[in-house]
Amino acid sequence: DTEVTQTPKHLVMGMTNKKSLKCEQHMGHRAMYWYKQKAKKPPELMFVYSYEKLSINESVPSRFSPECPNSSLLNLHLHALQPEDSALYLCASSQDGTVNHYGYTFGSGTRLTVV
Amino acid sequence: AQKVTQAQTEISVVEKEDVTLDCVYETRDTTYYLFWYKQPPSGELVFLIRRNSFDEQNEISGRYSWNFQKSTSSFNFTITASQVVDSAVYFCALSEALHRNHGTGKLIFGQGTTLQVKP
Repeated sequence: DTEVTQTPKHLVMGMTNKKSLKCEQHMGHRAMYWYKQKAKKPPELMFVYSYEKLSINESVPSRFSPECPNSSLLNLHLHALQPEDSALYLCASSQDGTVNHYGYTFGSGTRLTVV
Repeated sequence: AQKVTQAQTEISVVEKEDVTLDCVYETRDTTYYLFWYKQPPSGELVFLIRRNSFDEQNEISGRYSWNFQKSTSSFNFTITASQVVDSAVYFCALSEALHRNHGTGKLIFGQGTTLQVKP
């Protein structure tokens, strides 16, 4: 299995809702990432988990809460989002948290719309 | 500071034409990695190539080729005999050898080049 699977593919939520994005990989990768991508912009790093521990938080607002229950799963819990948070949320994984690996594998993303 | 510049915002070609996508990077690291990713309309980022800073050999993979020149800090990507299926956004990215104290390779993306290949 050489894929990163993200669910759901599309999500529409209200500003008072609580929802979660899920990411799963079975490649034995020990680093997992959340990226946010606005339309016509490059992806921007949000969080990095390395060996199930949060190693990087790029000053992301607390309404985004990541969780790594085990080495194969990565969640992003959403609460009280704003319309400007509407974006494509991409999950990625790599062998470990160093650069000495053969690239990152990205999922196909969750297109989030906040209404 | 690390930076990746893709000066071409949009390129339009007719099928079977060759096209080159430019990428210029800035970094103070002596060890770094460069990537190219393809993003079709479906959204997934598809890995195309990784090159480390010590390997300046050009690479060819089918219709794709890459020209890495450290002297000009460039890592250009050429598609030969383009096809409609090549239409996508292409990102060049740089990975830091170490991210501050975390030892994690953060990916820094260029702004992307939208390639449209017309039949």
